[in-house]
Amino acid sequence: ETGVTQTPRHLVMGMTNKKSLKCEQHLGHNAMYWYKQSAKKPLELMFVYSLEERVENNSVPSRFSPECPNSSHLFLHLHTLQPEDSALYLCASSQALGRGREQYFGPGTRLTVT
Amino acid sequence: GNSVTQMEGPVTLSEEAFLTINCTYTATGYPSLFWYVQYPGEGLQLLLKATKADDKGSNKGFEATYRKETTSFHLEKGSVQVSDSAVYFCALSVRGGGADGLTFGKGTHLIIQP
Repeated sequence: ETGVTQTPRHLVMGMTNKKSLKCEQHLGHNAMYWYKQSAKKPLELMFVYSLEERVENNSVPSRFSPECPNSSHLFLHLHTLQPEDSALYLCASSQALGRGREQYFGPGTRLTVT
Repeated sequence: GNSVTQMEGPVTLSEEAFLTINCTYTATGYPSLFWYVQYPGEGLQLLLKATKADDKGSNKGFEATYRKETTSFHLEKGSVQVSDSAVYFCALSVRGGGADGLTFGKGTHLIIQP
């Protein structure tokens, strides 16, 4: 595998389910990110991790819970979601934090909450 | 706060036409500027970037110049191809609060007709 991978690619879940999204980067990067992409809205930054420590949480509801066990893996644990949480969830990584750092994105997980 | 404004489209052009996608921004600090492209069913790919005023980013025939005086970063290509059909996102990053997530525009859907 190369680049940034995400699993699953598609997920349908009910509002009472618990599920997790997984992201893995094979680039040797130290920073990882979760974004939410909804129709007709800009991509929204959700969480930022640097060297496995969370450095930003953009007022995301507690039903989204990130986990970064090491610099290569990032999870997003989902619990009691709402239909408006249906979106494409994108993971990204960068070599480090820094204003000029390029971010490399995975293909995303298409989440549908029923 | 930080924000990015770009035309949403869809923008429909014929093959070999000249392309301009406008992007303007507001930022609390000195931003780096990026263009990302998203092909159907895929994640975002970095197309080009510029980190300081008057820098020109270029890649695959696309160009954009960082204009601090007009707070703009317009994307141009002299002759588009059908394979350029995608959604294009303008984005910025400003180091602050220890975090470096990207702030994106809403994206411009580009359709190139043969």
